[in-house]
Amino acid sequence: DIQMTQSPSSVSASIGDRVTITCRASRGISTWLAWYQQKPGKAPNLLIYAASTLQSGVPSRFSGSGSGTDFTLTISSLQPEDLATYYCQQANSFPLTFGGGTKVAIK
Amino acid sequence: EVQLLESGGGLVQPGGSLRLSCAASELSFSDYAMNWVRQAPGKGLEWVSSISGSGSSTYYADSVKGRFTISRDNSKNTLSLQLNSLRAEDTAVYYCAKGLRLRGSYYYYMDVWGKGTTVTVSS
Repeated sequence: DIQMTQSPSSVSASIGDRVTITCRASRGISTWLAWYQQKPGKAPNLLIYAASTLQSGVPSRFSGSGSGTDFTLTISSLQPEDLATYYCQQANSFPLTFGGGTKVAIK
Repeated sequence: EVQLLESGGGLVQPGGSLRLSCAASELSFSDYAMNWVRQAPGKGLEWVSSISGSGSSTYYADSVKGRFTISRDNSKNTLSLQLNSLRAEDTAVYYCAKGLRLRGSYYYYMDVWGKGTTVTVSS
């Protein structure tokens, strides 16, 4: 199975800050990676797929990069509505696996 | 706009069974792979099972293999998950999620999610 490791597990930043979350796969997954945002009490929402493709309707301050084993999600200018937990997910092979999540808080 | 609505959750004793359903609206249902993902209280997301658009291919997490069965009825736009031999560690919110499809290919990224249905396994 492919293990997905996210870091940090939590981050606190100010409005307007740049926030970067990393996700590492235990073996190469090319660009078969998605990022999801989950707000408290809500279902997850797809932000990015294929490592860097922005899902329709997602604000352009979100971006993704990486390939192989190392990936990043960047929020270029943190907004109050970005308070959420972010998860990566590999879609390279079954079993599909998620990272442990990164909780983003506003300072 | 595609919507997914889960149902069937509830309180069940260890060893018991439940059947979860997910109704999809406004969708060429058979064109999409479908997935179940769960989230235990205060924990992260855990993939449970996936099924291809035709239903011919199914996939399971090791933690549920042999106990859970995924199925779909494309004529009724419905996805199901049969949960047998339930354990306390199966307690979670269960989400139904639609797989992304682009240019005729299926992808197991999940672009539409239901609100979830809660399963509680306890005596």
